[in-house]
This record gives sequence, structure tokens and C-alpha cells, in this order.
Amino acid sequence: NAGVTQTPKFRVLKTGQSMTLLCAQDMNHEYMYWYRQDPGMGLRLIHYSVGEGTTAKGEVPDGYNVSRLKKQNFLLGLESAAPSQTSVYFCAIGLAGVYEQYFGPGTRLTVT
Amino acid sequence: AQKVTQAQTEISVVEKEDVTLDCVYETRDTTYYLFWYKQPPSGELVFLIRRNSFDEQNEISGRYSWNFQKSTSSFNFTITASQVVDSAVYFCALSEVRTGANNLFFGTGTRLTVIP
Repeated sequence: NAGVTQTPKFRVLKTGQSMTLLCAQDMNHEYMYWYRQDPGMGLRLIHYSVGEGTTAKGEVPDGYNVSRLKKQNFLLGLESAAPSQTSVYFCAIGLAGVYEQYFGPGTRLTVT
Repeated sequence: AQKVTQAQTEISVVEKEDVTLDCVYETRDTTYYLFWYKQPPSGELVFLIRRNSFDEQNEISGRYSWNFQKSTSSFNFTITASQVVDSAVYFCALSEVRTGANNLFFGTGTRLTVIP
């Protein structure tokens, strides 16, 4: 997985609970991304970052927040989890000028 | 707006058959990149190929080949002599250079099952 790790691998939350997903890379890539994968819908971009201290919204940002305080880490937060956020979450990294992205192993989140 | 369509939701083939996975895209940009990713049953996403909009040469890598046709906005993927290990979900994706962040827009994927 090209030096991309995600913590945790699995998590079950109750509606209204909060949690943070951690993505860590050891590749020194500038760009980092959070996607969610739902059955029949492919992967959709939640938020992304083009560098330390910068973040931007993707296609489906509502209900999520992100932070990138260090270049190697990108955190995805759910402040008040909802069943609609049950999904598999993937982190990815990329380099400026190199357009493919490399993905972490994923985090399976269930919200009951 | 950008869009990637993979009309084939599921395909089953018998081992050693050839199979083509279709991908049709929409973009207003003249500069863009197209990708194929493989997601085996273990769940990770594996990068297979990148093609830029100015390079319409077909590419072959072992049993895999890709056919990029701008005239039909298609980027199809063919597996020759399929094997059981090819069973996976395959995603086509598009990146528009103008976003500046290499964001990927994915199709909904095609699940390929190779039957021994």
C-alpha cells in the first residue's frame, strides 16, 4: 500500500458518537485524500489536502472535518456519526505532477 | 461536469477467456488523465495504469491491454486469457488537470468473476 497506513481498520459507532480516522504516510507526498466507498457508488472524494496546514472540500464533505497539521498525517473526523456514514473509508496520497494516487488499506466503519 | 461511466456492473467469464471492461468518460477539459484501479477481494486498491489525454497509443502489459479513444471518450481495458486471480472489482477514474490537486473521479466499478 505504498507506505500508507490507516487507523483503525474497523470501528463500530453508535449514532451521535464521534471519532477520528488517522491516515499516515512515509512517502513524503504532498497530496493526501479521504474517500468513502459505498456499494454501487464507487469511491467519492470527501476532503483533500495539497500540503501541510491546507485542506479543501471534495464531492461529499458534509458531516466530516479534516486536519493536516503534519505533512505525513491526515485526519478525518466525524463529530456526530450518522448511519449514512456507514462506509469503507480510504486514504490516498499523491505527488504534484504525478497523477496517480496510492491508497491505504481502508477503514470499515459501521454506525448503528 | 466530469463523469465516469462503467455500464457493466458484473461480468463472469470462464478461465482463459478474454474479457473487456468498458469505461466511458465525460469532461470539458482538454488535459486530463485516465486510470484503472483493481480492487481484489482483500479490499485494497491497486493502481494499474495512467493515460494522459494527449497519448492515444494503446498499451499492453502482459495479459493486460488498454484502448484509449478520444473520439468516443472511452478507455477500455482488456484482459487476455483470464485467470482466477483476475477476479476483482475494477475501477476506471478520471483526473482533470485544472483542479490542481489531482482529484480522482471514479466510475462505479465492474466486478469481474473468473470461473475456473
